Order: sequence, then C-alpha cells, then structure tokens
Amino acid sequence: QKEVEQNSGPLSVPEGAIASLNCTYSDRGSQSFFWYRQYSGKSPELIMFIYSNGDKEDGRFTAQLNKASQYVSLLIRDSQPSDSATYLCAVKRLIFGTGTRLQVFP
Amino acid sequence: EAGVAQSPRYKIIEKRQSVAFWCNPISGHATLYWYQQILGQGPKLLIQFQNNGVVDDSQLPKDRFSAERLKGVDSTLKIQPAKLEDSAVYLCASSSPQTGEFDNEQFFGPGTRLTVL
Repeated sequence: QKEVEQNSGPLSVPEGAIASLNCTYSDRGSQSFFWYRQYSGKSPELIMFIYSNGDKEDGRFTAQLNKASQYVSLLIRDSQPSDSATYLCAVKRLIFGTGTRLQVFP
Repeated sequence: EAGVAQSPRYKIIEKRQSVAFWCNPISGHATLYWYQQILGQGPKLLIQFQNNGVVDDSQLPKDRFSAERLKGVDSTLKIQPAKLEDSAVYLCASSSPQTGEFDNEQFFGPGTRLTVL
C-alpha cells in the first residue's frame, strides 16, 4: 500500500463548477497535510495546509481532513481554466502522492 | 526576496557518466531538501539537510548518489554513475523553521531536468 494515494485523473470539470480532489494516506499518526499545485513543466507551489479535522477555507479553496478515515480532500469552487494543473497531496510535508491532473474547460 | 536557485536547468548525459546539480536556497533558510520527480509521479525526497547536517537520507541510493551542504548554505547533488532510470527532474527546496502559520512551507526551485541516454 502506498503511503499517499491519489487518483491520477484527469478530472475534467466545466468552468464555474466545483472540483473535488481526494487523497488517502496510510500512516495513522500523520499530523500535517498539504496541497500543492504544479503546472506542467513548473515546480510545486503550496496552496493550503491543514492540521485539524474539519474544513479550512482560503478563498476559492477548501481543504477537508478526516483523520478517522485517513482522508484529505481539496475543493476548488468556481473552477477556472487557469486552475488546470496537477494537484499533489503531501503528508507530513515530505511524502507526496502521484498527483491528480485537473482540467477545467471553458 | 530571491527564490531557490538551481543549475543547470537541463542536462543530457549518457549512462555511466557522472553529473552534478547545484542548489542555492533562500537566504536564511536552514533546511534544504533534494527531491527526485519522475514523469507522472510526485516528488520523492532524497535527502534533507538541517544547516550542514543530514536529517534524512533514507531514500538516497547511496551507491550512486551523494549530496553535501558545506557551510550550511549551497548544496550539490551528484550521481555517479548515472543509470537510465535516473532520468527525472531534480528539485531543490528550502524552508525556514519560523513560528507562525507557514512555518512548514517549503519553497521549491525551478528544478533540473536530467535525461540519461
């Protein structure tokens, strides 16, 4: 079992829709969770981090954490074509999933 | 504030050759990371430095990879000899242990794309 698992996608959503990206992790003791965005040919950039169970909102982004289910998700509201990228989930800051490719079409 | 610098940006070598990558972290950042990102995969941590000491090198293939961070600032990552499966982007990142909401944020450099033929 991989430490961090993500569906590789692509996840295709229309402009203005909500994109939902999911991530599961194996280490129950994990305390910190991060979402990065990576445009093609570029380096990862941090979008959000979450430490506590529940939701954390930042603009159009909401991170959701459920430690009992070992599940963390990222919701992107009002998706824009500029959101088209690969979204990487990272646990304990250093362990990355393979990423989910998001495509937002006009 | 200047970002993480890496060079070269691209490198093409033949298998069994040697190659070295250089990284200059953000000024004042004590922690430096080297990652390997193979196409279609997430970054994999190779080594983490705190100042000039190694914190974690458990995933570094030590028979062919080496890294150093002399004086706790710049770092070099070397591969000798290279294999075909080493083709990847090598990312350097740095972070500063500060109090506050973003005390764990890593800042990534642009990466070095290595192609081994």
